[in-house]
Amino acid sequence: QLQLVQSGAEVKKPGASVKISCKSSGYTFTSYAFSWVRQAPGQRPEWLGWISAKKGETNYSLKFKGRVSLTTDTSTSTAYMELRSLRSDDTAVYYCGRDRALGSAWSDYWGQGTLVTVSS
Amino acid sequence: AIQLTQSPSSLSASIGDRVTISCRASQVITGSLVWYQHKPGEPPRLLIYEASTLEVGVPSRFSGSESGTDFTLTISSLQPEDFATYYCQQFYNFPITFGGGTKVESK
Repeated sequence: QLQLVQSGAEVKKPGASVKISCKSSGYTFTSYAFSWVRQAPGQRPEWLGWISAKKGETNYSLKFKGRVSLTTDTSTSTAYMELRSLRSDDTAVYYCGRDRALGSAWSDYWGQGTLVTVSS
Repeated sequence: AIQLTQSPSSLSASIGDRVTISCRASQVITGSLVWYQHKPGEPPRLLIYEASTLEVGVPSRFSGSESGTDFTLTISSLQPEDFATYYCQQFYNFPITFGGGTKVESK
């Protein structure tokens, strides 16, 4: 059974960093890619970036370029998203999604979401 | 970036109603669109990909269509489990973008 399980909720102070994990099971990790999306309260979903699981090729939203890093660990079938220099408007639920195919850039399975709260 | 404009932002409907949600792209994206259903506290659920292909396991009352830059999600007969927010997303090019969502509520 295909599953994406994300790490738990985080509370961070402005200026800090957060790293969220997304552990995959039930399929061949290296054959796919991941998209990361966030959704702040009352806002539309916002795309942060994309990473191929095997080669680690990335494509980042220009809005977050320089603050976000996507990585994968093929030994543990886990994808990671790190966001640095956090601000209050980074408060949101962050999702990882497994893309249907390497070049598809749309996800057929999603993690359960990780709430990140940025507050002093 | 490609902008997606969804309408309406919310609607009230009854069980059995036919529901239509629109998503207009700011440029031609040639079928590069998916629809998701999202309920509070749950991950998004893929309903339709490539504008009109029904995802495996999704009830056939859901359908998608495309006409130029206009995309439509139709629920032919609304069921209790369909009350949710629906989003369109384009994957024609980066950055990936989403519509503003349509919340389907009970009348």
